[in-house]
Amino acid sequence: ETGVTQTPRHLVMGMTNKKSLKCEQHLGHNAMYWYKQSAKKPLELMFVYNFKEQTENNSVPSRFSPECPNSSHLFLHLHTLQPEDSALYLCASSQDRAGGRGYTFGSGTRLTVV
Amino acid sequence: DAKTTQPTSMDCAEGRAANLPCNHSTISGNEYVYWYRQIHSQGPQYIIHGLKNNETNEMASLIITEDRKSSTLILPHATLRDTAVYYCIVNIQGAQKLVFGQGTRLTINP
Repeated sequence: ETGVTQTPRHLVMGMTNKKSLKCEQHLGHNAMYWYKQSAKKPLELMFVYNFKEQTENNSVPSRFSPECPNSSHLFLHLHTLQPEDSALYLCASSQDRAGGRGYTFGSGTRLTVV
Repeated sequence: DAKTTQPTSMDCAEGRAANLPCNHSTISGNEYVYWYRQIHSQGPQYIIHGLKNNETNEMASLIITEDRKSSTLILPHATLRDTAVYYCIVNIQGAQKLVFGQGTRLTINP
C-alpha cells in the first residue's frame, strides 16, 4: 500500500452509464492529481487540485468531471464515455510545493468502456 | 513534452548492477532530476531525485554529470522484482505538473 487508495480496481461500463472513481489519501498531502494511461502511451496529466481548488485542466473532455471535496479525497465522475476512454486511471498526491519525494501514486482503476 | 531522452528498453542479469541512462540536455538550473518506476499494472513509484550532487538511498543511486545534461540511475544488485518501466523526469521541485515520457523498459533476466 502506498498510502493512496483507489477504488474500484477494475470497472466495466457501458457508454450510457454514469460511474465514479474514488481516490483517498491520508498522507497529509495538499495536492491531488488524476492521470490517464492508455495502452502503450505515456501517462497523461488530466487534472490537478491544490488545497481542494482545481489548478489544472489539461484540455480534458467534459465527460470527465473531477470533484475534490477535501484535501484527502478526489473523485472522477464519468458519463457517456467512449471506448477510446478505456485506460488505467491513476490518482496521485503530493505535498504542496514542498517538493521532496515527489508524488505518491495509487494502484489505479482499470476502466473498460464497452 | 517530456524533456528527457531514454533508451526504449534494456536487459540486465539478476544480481548485476543495472545502469539506466537519461539525457536532459535542456535542463534548467532550478530543475531537479526525478526517477520513478512503474511495475506492470501498478502506479508509478518514486525512486530518487537530485539536483547536481550524486544521491543514494535504499533503492538506488543517482549519478548526475557535472554539466547536468545527463544522469544515470544505478540499481546496484538487480532482482527480478526490479523489472519495470523506469521514467526519468526533470521538474522544478514542488512544481505540480509531472510530465512522463515513454521511459525505459528494464527486464531483469534470471
